[in-house]
Amino acid sequence: AQSVTQLGSHVSVSEGALVLLRCNYSSSVPPYLFWYVQYPNQGLQLLLKYTSAATLVKGINGFEAEFKKSETSFHLTKPSAHMSDAAEYFCAVSVSGYSTLTFGKGTMLLVSP
Amino acid sequence: DAGVTQSPTHLIKTRGQQVTLRCSPKSGHDTVSWYQQALGQGPQFIFQYYEEEERQRGNFPDRFSGHQFPNYSSELNVNALLLGDSALYLCASSLKWTPLGELFFGEGSRLTVL
Repeated sequence: AQSVTQLGSHVSVSEGALVLLRCNYSSSVPPYLFWYVQYPNQGLQLLLKYTSAATLVKGINGFEAEFKKSETSFHLTKPSAHMSDAAEYFCAVSVSGYSTLTFGKGTMLLVSP
Repeated sequence: DAGVTQSPTHLIKTRGQQVTLRCSPKSGHDTVSWYQQALGQGPQFIFQYYEEEERQRGNFPDRFSGHQFPNYSSELNVNALLLGDSALYLCASSLKWTPLGELFFGEGSRLTVL
């Protein structure tokens, strides 16, 4: 079975600062990895995905993530936070394709002026 | 192009009652998956429907059942509601033959069980 651990239920940054959201996974087979964002009262939106091609994955809104097999990590970063980035972020893993995702508990990103 | 639409957006039920939630997938999609998101938790996979049959199921009791119609829309039914069933229920659609294609989520149906 696969699982995801997101370190930190809340992360606070100042506008313009680096964003780093941590995700570690556990999987017995090569995984597919995803980051989703959820704004208040909305569904989930895909930010980016790793599907065994390039280990550095670029997504929407300036986010990127790097797959590190040796560390079983898939941390999400953005060089400069914007107020509009404030939302909840979920890391997810799948071994069987897209539809059956196992999500982490989420990290709420707070951005202060 | 309409995305994934879910109804109702909010509803309140009492313990022991039954509820039906509805989902229309994104145009062109043929696969519907349902997720339960409890407060403060990530979404948990309930089941997936394709060609009107349940294809995969997560760790949920038989009280949770579903249906997919010929037009690809779907229903989630929960019987004998428990307080712990209070959650946001998310529907997601995709195209079966693109397993790594994007999964599109609706805004969810928030169920409160009193």
